[in-house]
Amino acid sequence: EAGVTQFPSHSVIEKGQTVTLRCDPISGHDNLYWYRRVMGKEIKFLLHFVKESKQDESGMPNNRFLAERTGGTYSTLKVQPAELEDSGVYFCASSQVGGPREQYFGPGTRLTVT
Amino acid sequence: SQKIEQNSEALNIQEGKTATLTCNYTNYSPAYLQWYRQDPGRGPVFLLLIRENEKEKRKERLKVTFDTTLKQSLFHITASQPADSATYLCALDSLTGTASKLTFGTGTRLQVTL
Repeated sequence: EAGVTQFPSHSVIEKGQTVTLRCDPISGHDNLYWYRRVMGKEIKFLLHFVKESKQDESGMPNNRFLAERTGGTYSTLKVQPAELEDSGVYFCASSQVGGPREQYFGPGTRLTVT
Repeated sequence: SQKIEQNSEALNIQEGKTATLTCNYTNYSPAYLQWYRQDPGRGPVFLLLIRENEKEKRKERLKVTFDTTLKQSLFHITASQPADSATYLCALDSLTGTASKLTFGTGTRLQVTL
């Protein structure tokens, strides 16, 4: 069974540019989460989808971040315009609705804003 | 505000010994607590989940305890091996319907030497 995949693995952009991160969850997992780890800090929750619906986006830092999950399969996280403090590792995780509570994480996308 | 502390940034132990990692939290009453392992360049991998009404949980060489009065969880690896070297993360798991919203600690980096 394929795990959670994320693309790209690494992105380097300049301040003010736009970047779109993609996450493909495990097939059949309707819960999809985005998390972020900035340098030296803990992994922090950004938002949670159930299928295509946003259930909780309380962790989104500001309106420069936009997450979508059209069709309830893969998800994208767009940062526009990117700022220096957006640098970090963005993780996606998925789990089954009504299933075990553990989450399956992807390898992360390392975003560097210069 | 909620705060999670993992006892130390790094822990060095000798192969064969028992590693004990600590997770303390404040201003929070989690229904569940999860432990994850993270290797460099990879996403967290689920290890164990313990519920608030459970005192102890075991899986092979791993043992987790959960004391809701002390607001503390202990994570033990017995007969440690060099392959156990990794960063270990505790995560408080809040109930949001059937999905989990994880709040992570900063992690403890375990190094097991020969």
